[in-house]
Amino acid sequence: GAVVSQHPSRVICKSGTSVKIECRSLDFQATTMFWYRQFPKQSLMLMATSNEGSKATYEQGVEKDKFLINHASLTLSTLTVTSAHPEDSSFYICSASPAEDQETQYFGPGTRLLVL
Amino acid sequence: GQQVMQIPQYQHVQEGEDFTTYCNSSTTLSNIQWYKQRPGGHPVFLIQLVKSGEVKKQKRLTFQFGEAKKNSSLHITATQTTDVGTYFCAGGLTGGGNKLTFGTGTQLKVEL
Repeated sequence: GAVVSQHPSRVICKSGTSVKIECRSLDFQATTMFWYRQFPKQSLMLMATSNEGSKATYEQGVEKDKFLINHASLTLSTLTVTSAHPEDSSFYICSASPAEDQETQYFGPGTRLLVL
Repeated sequence: GQQVMQIPQYQHVQEGEDFTTYCNSSTTLSNIQWYKQRPGGHPVFLIQLVKSGEVKKQKRLTFQFGEAKKNSSLHITATQTTDVGTYFCAGGLTGGGNKLTFGTGTQLKVEL
């Protein structure tokens, strides 16, 4: 149980385009989902906390207009990187917390974004 | 803001040797969690510690939460090649909901 999927696993796009990443909890309902980014050989940096049915809470320094988050249902959250640039290239990972165990986060497999 | 540091940053050991990574938070934590990330993979939850001074064991892994709830350690006895990866601690703050601040990580390499 407690499986989280992400799609796509890898994406290459041209500078200036937008990319949407989906995060799904497959066998549980997630009241909260988190979005992280990870640069090579570095730690996970929390970008935003997404609660179903409400606006996401962004961490300091993360542009909400750049990284659009939508948590439309209890099993799906999306992150859209708008007008992507090469510096947005990174590993984006989502996690989800079950409603009955909100202190535990289950991580998705991540999405590697390369912006040319 | 809250910072969570881990030492060492890298550790190379021979198979069979022990390994320890230390995690230190600038603020008191409500709980500490440990994750393992294999090369190219995503973080996998290992354990959560909540109580001051708590010690938990999982086979060859021993996790400890400090009395002041600001530090933690992970000790692996008799490392194996399957232990290779980066170990992250992640701290939760009281009143911070279930938000986690990840530590800087310790990359473990095990050589035969």
